[in-house]
Amino acid sequence: DVKVTQSSRYLVKRTGEKVFLECVQDMDHENMFWYRQDPGLGLRLIYFSYDVKMKEKGDIPEGYSVSREKKERFSLILESASTNQTSMYLCASSPPKKGYTFGSGTRLTVV
Amino acid sequence: GEDVEQSLFLSVREGDSSVINCTYTDSSSTYLYWYKQEPGAGLQLLTYIFSNMDMKQDQRLTVLLNKKDKHLSLRIADTQTGDSAIYFCAESDNTDKLIFGTGTRLQVFP
Repeated sequence: DVKVTQSSRYLVKRTGEKVFLECVQDMDHENMFWYRQDPGLGLRLIYFSYDVKMKEKGDIPEGYSVSREKKERFSLILESASTNQTSMYLCASSPPKKGYTFGSGTRLTVV
Repeated sequence: GEDVEQSLFLSVREGDSSVINCTYTDSSSTYLYWYKQEPGAGLQLLTYIFSNMDMKQDQRLTVLLNKKDKHLSLRIADTQTGDSAIYFCAESDNTDKLIFGTGTRLQVFP
């Protein structure tokens, strides 16, 4: 069964901490995406990548960065966590021109 | 830019049909998708339709596409309590990114 695995289901971090959210896919997909999901706002795209070492800003990249050193892994980095980054974070992957497979999500709380 | 709109809530009685509606703006969309999200989980692909199709049926699910009106609907026949979830409509833009609606929360009551 194909999978997108996010390393943590729940995470609690302090304001100002550097936070790493990891996502690994086993489907050899070229494309990987990071979204955040907030009530009433739907899914908002943070960053995406179409290839190793390639990254593109999505709609809300401020306060985030990403890393894609290997095809199967796409990491989201919160450089200095703030309370307004408390959210559900969803990783997804896809082959070209096809729908996404999502991970289970990481619910991050910044206190 | 592209936009996808859905109503926020739908409440139906168990055994009835549910119809979740979606409108989109990008007429060049190749595929349109329906995803389901259960509480505390990621999104699961339910079904999709190619833009040159009008209808697609998959067991209890029927997708209707009106390309002229840019309207997509998902009909769930014989709705069950296990169908209670948030349903997202999504369109593909001219890259590989999907544009999602805000989601429709379906509540099924006995």
